[in-house]
Amino acid sequence: DAGITQSPRYKITETGRQVTLMCHQTWSHSYMFWYRQDLGHGLRLIYYSAAADITDKGEVPDGYVVSRSKTENFPLTLESATRSQTSVYFCASREFTDTQYFGPGTRLTVL
Amino acid sequence: EDQVTQSPEALRLQEGESSSLNCSYTVSGLRGLFWYRQDPGKGPEFLFTLYSAGEEKEKERLKATLTKKESFLHITAPKPEDSATYLCALDYNQGGKLIFGQGTELSVKP
Repeated sequence: DAGITQSPRYKITETGRQVTLMCHQTWSHSYMFWYRQDLGHGLRLIYYSAAADITDKGEVPDGYVVSRSKTENFPLTLESATRSQTSVYFCASREFTDTQYFGPGTRLTVL
Repeated sequence: EDQVTQSPEALRLQEGESSSLNCSYTVSGLRGLFWYRQDPGKGPEFLFTLYSAGEEKEKERLKATLTKKESFLHITAPKPEDSATYLCALDYNQGGKLIFGQGTELSVKP
């Protein structure tokens, strides 16, 4: 299917575990983004990528790692999950100056 | 300081009661302003892009307008299914990143 997909849609993990959230887009957009959304904070940018093998920090990068070996994939890894990383995570993509499209989100709970 | 502010934070309307949401900004070099709709538990859904002052876009009961300092999202005769959070986002000299407002939570009661 065309568009942007995220997996898993729901994830429960424990403190200290490593978790990887996947994002895949079929448009070959150059830019990809990871946001977290929490009550009272709106959308906050974690990391973004302008192209394959080019990534940069956003507003709240601590505790997260990203990679982008292929244009269509942009995984987000929590190396050692903490309770404060319980959130809803959205992936997005866009072509420069064009519309940004969002995935359906991953709801992550860290116990 | 560059920023984007949405108001009000929350808006409650009766079905059929028209109103407007505001997105004001203090940035230079605006390349585009985007409006999104977000339903609970879902990702933001694209509504409109505005590129220059004076531009207007319409879709069903929604109309977006843009001036040099703000954008309005006008909702005419809203229905309960228009209930959602509406986000505005700016594209301006940030290397491809968008800057999002905090959103306006709209509730339309029958």
